[in-house]
Amino acid sequence: DAKTTQPTSMDCAEGRAANLPCNHSTISGNEYVYWYRQIHSQGPQYIIHGLKNNETNEMASLIITEDRKSSTLILPHATLRDTAVYYCIVRARLNDYKLSFGAGTTVTVRA
Amino acid sequence: DAGVIQSPRHEVTEMGQEVTLRCKPISGHNSLFWYRQTMMRGLELLIYFNNNVPIDDSGMPEDRFSAKMPNASFSTLKIQPSEPRDSAVYFCASRGDVGYTFGSGTRLTVV
Repeated sequence: DAKTTQPTSMDCAEGRAANLPCNHSTISGNEYVYWYRQIHSQGPQYIIHGLKNNETNEMASLIITEDRKSSTLILPHATLRDTAVYYCIVRARLNDYKLSFGAGTTVTVRA
Repeated sequence: DAGVIQSPRHEVTEMGQEVTLRCKPISGHNSLFWYRQTMMRGLELLIYFNNNVPIDDSGMPEDRFSAKMPNASFSTLKIQPSEPRDSAVYFCASRGDVGYTFGSGTRLTVV
């Protein structure tokens, strides 16, 4: 799997958009970008994934650059409950079962 | 959908004792994973089952660890004998069409 680089931590104001960057400059053509988050004392939770097009669901939006070397997860209106560690993971979707978690970004949403 | 169910939530045991962790995956999910999380090493994949068959157990730390999946709705992770360095949060996850669903984890403390 391609290596990902994320900031160690970031703060966000409640109600504002949180933009979480991820660099994956060695990503290959068949690899997807996945985002998971882990709220304290809970298991990781799937957020969103994408290949090359921007994606949106009820939780977040994923913006992938045209060269696919980086992406941004956007939480449109952050709440205190969004405080968590966010993991950006790159992996091939088919035949690749390993989900390798790095250190992630610790996001703290402040009132 | 009750999600992935793990038991117990917390386990405190003495060194040398046998510990059994249990997992019920989401019905219809064919893949099941056991992860371990510690502060030092983060989230590590221990073992992966597909259709109840162990596919990759390369992450199992040593022979003291064993995992079984006797049917599609139940899996166990056993540690015998347990050691203090086994203290961690153990997560079970099952995989559906899109992402992984993790259980709430079992916090194991070996004293």
